Amino acid sequence: QKEVEQNSGPLSVPEGAIASLNCTYSDRGSQSFFWYRQYSGKSPELIMSIYSNGDKEDGRFTAQLNKASQYVSLLIRDSQPSDSATYLCAVSKGSNYKLTFGKGTLLTVNP
Amino acid sequence: EADIYQTPRYLVIGTGKKITLECSQTMGHDKMYWYQQDPGMELHLIHYSYGVNSTEKGDLSSESTVSRIRTEHFPLTLESARPSHTSQYLCASSDPGPGNYGYTFGSGTRLTVV
Repeated sequence: QKEVEQNSGPLSVPEGAIASLNCTYSDRGSQSFFWYRQYSGKSPELIMSIYSNGDKEDGRFTAQLNKASQYVSLLIRDSQPSDSATYLCAVSKGSNYKLTFGKGTLLTVNP
Repeated sequence: EADIYQTPRYLVIGTGKKITLECSQTMGHDKMYWYQQDPGMELHLIHYSYGVNSTEKGDLSSESTVSRIRTEHFPLTLESARPSHTSQYLCASSDPGPGNYGYTFGSGTRLTVV
């Protein structure tokens, strides 16, 4: 079992819809969770971090964490074509531990 | 504003050449990392450092080496480049604080060995 698993997609949604991206992780000791966005040919950029169970909202983005189910998700409301990118889930056990990345989910938002 | 810089942005080089990929950050971060990423594939950690004179190999075996003589500088060297080294190399750093606040990535070096 991979440490961090994501549906590779591609996930295609129409403009204005809600895009839902999912991630599961295997290490129950994981404490920090991140979502990165990576445009084609570019480097990843951090868009959300979450550390506690529940929801965390930042603009059109909402991260959801359920440690009991070892599940973290990212919702993008009012999706825009500019949101089209690969979204990477990353997990860490703590401040002195490296991030482990999932393979990413390719999201396409159609105008 | 991200203050982590990688040079060169693109590099095409012949087999057998020695190359050094540069990575510098001005944020005072102790922790720095090198990742390798092939198109459409996941990031693989090849080296990391938690401070000056501290370097460790990552999860993916790599023929490259790194050094950390100064906090802000974390270069990666390939003594003899091969076509199998063709990939994108991403440098990252993370906040020295008590929590894990994620990484800041440089813009990457796309290496092609011919």
